[in-house]
Amino acid sequence: DGGITQSPKYLFRKEGQNVTLSCEQNLNHDAMYWYRQDPGQGLRLIYYSQIVNDFQKGDIAEGYSVSREKKESFPLTVTSAQKNPTAFYLCASSRGYEQYFGPGTRLTVT
Amino acid sequence: QQQVKQSPQSLIVQKGGISIINCAYENTAFDYFPWYQQFPGKGPALLIAIRPDVSEKKEGRFTISFNKSAKQFSLHIMDSQPGDSATYFCAASKDGTASKLTFGTGTRLQVTL
Repeated sequence: DGGITQSPKYLFRKEGQNVTLSCEQNLNHDAMYWYRQDPGQGLRLIYYSQIVNDFQKGDIAEGYSVSREKKESFPLTVTSAQKNPTAFYLCASSRGYEQYFGPGTRLTVT
Repeated sequence: QQQVKQSPQSLIVQKGGISIINCAYENTAFDYFPWYQQFPGKGPALLIAIRPDVSEKKEGRFTISFNKSAKQFSLHIMDSQPGDSATYFCAASKDGTASKLTFGTGTRLQVTL
């Protein structure tokens, strides 16, 4: 079964801690993306990567970091510098224009 | 700066009716316009998409209408069903940026019996 997996589905952290969200795809897509979703604001792009070992900042990259060491994997680290990290995080991958999303990770920071 | 404006924010339609969601964009370089459907707690799913060289695209009960001169596009859901109740997002991207999508803020659709 081809698809995008994100783990865990729910994540709880204390303020001041870094946390890493996992994203894996077996679709053989070159490009991968991380979005943040907040109520009433749609999806906002955090980082994207078009090839291995290369990635670019999206619209709201501050307080986040990524790596792309393998084609299949694009982990996102939410650092303590992110002022409002509680949100629903979505990973996506694409071939050409069509972009496909994973099931998301809901992060709660208290 | 919001480059894709979506309306309405919420919509209630009776079963069998037509649901219409509208989006307007500012950047004339956009050349790909998808619509996504999202159920609560799930990731968005690609529903239908259009390129600006056509004015309409239909897939089953879902139709995109595209007006290049007005920089607007809309999603029509014919014979709306309770199972269509979800949040719908329009988006846009431009050539040279792979699939770097700019999303609208979403429309929550409720189809009542």
